[in-house]
Amino acid sequence: LAKTTQPISMDSYEGQEVNITCSHNNIATNDYITWYQQFPSQGPRFIIQGYKTKVTNEVASLFIPADRKSSTLSLPRVSLSDTAVYYCLVGDRAGANNLFFGTGTRLTVIP
Amino acid sequence: DVKVTQSSRYLVKRTGEKVFLECVQDMDHENMFWYRQDPGLGLRLIYFSYDVKMKEKGDIPEGYSVSREKKERFSLILESASTNQTSMYLCASSSPKTGRYRAGELFFGEGSRLTVL
Repeated sequence: LAKTTQPISMDSYEGQEVNITCSHNNIATNDYITWYQQFPSQGPRFIIQGYKTKVTNEVASLFIPADRKSSTLSLPRVSLSDTAVYYCLVGDRAGANNLFFGTGTRLTVIP
Repeated sequence: DVKVTQSSRYLVKRTGEKVFLECVQDMDHENMFWYRQDPGLGLRLIYFSYDVKMKEKGDIPEGYSVSREKKERFSLILESASTNQTSMYLCASSSPKTGRYRAGELFFGEGSRLTVL
């Protein structure tokens, strides 16, 4: 079971770029890295997924170094609506029962 | 869009009552999951199911049981509710198929907040 380690919380001002780093030292060859976002009183929702190097979508970028033992979620120019808990998970295609959520990183965006 | 619907957003029950939490997904997903979420503990997996009538224990199955009689429906049962089961319960579904869905991507419901008095 590939567990992850993230900072418990982060604060950022509106308009800044936010980088949240996740450590996953025992990631397996078949594992993908996936980030979820959770707003209060809602279930988590998918943000971005990658295997290696860099992935970018309309919401975020994901940077993964060659050894894949860590990853960084980058949120460009955050707004107040980005205040949420962000979870980093690793897992493979076989199923999602081996996904370990942990406590995530609580991002607070300040006006 | 994938939709995972949980039957109740808020429930209040008394200690010893039997509690049913229902979850329905509309995307023909094979996999379904029940998590509980508590402050400071994150999401913890209670039970999961890969197919109809199949179930597997997660990390914290004690005090819970599940039922999956139809592919789209996964029920969580608290046989005798206790105060330490006061929590937010989240249902999720996923498909192991490659191509259309991302590896292990979970689709969550809105959650059911249970209070046991």
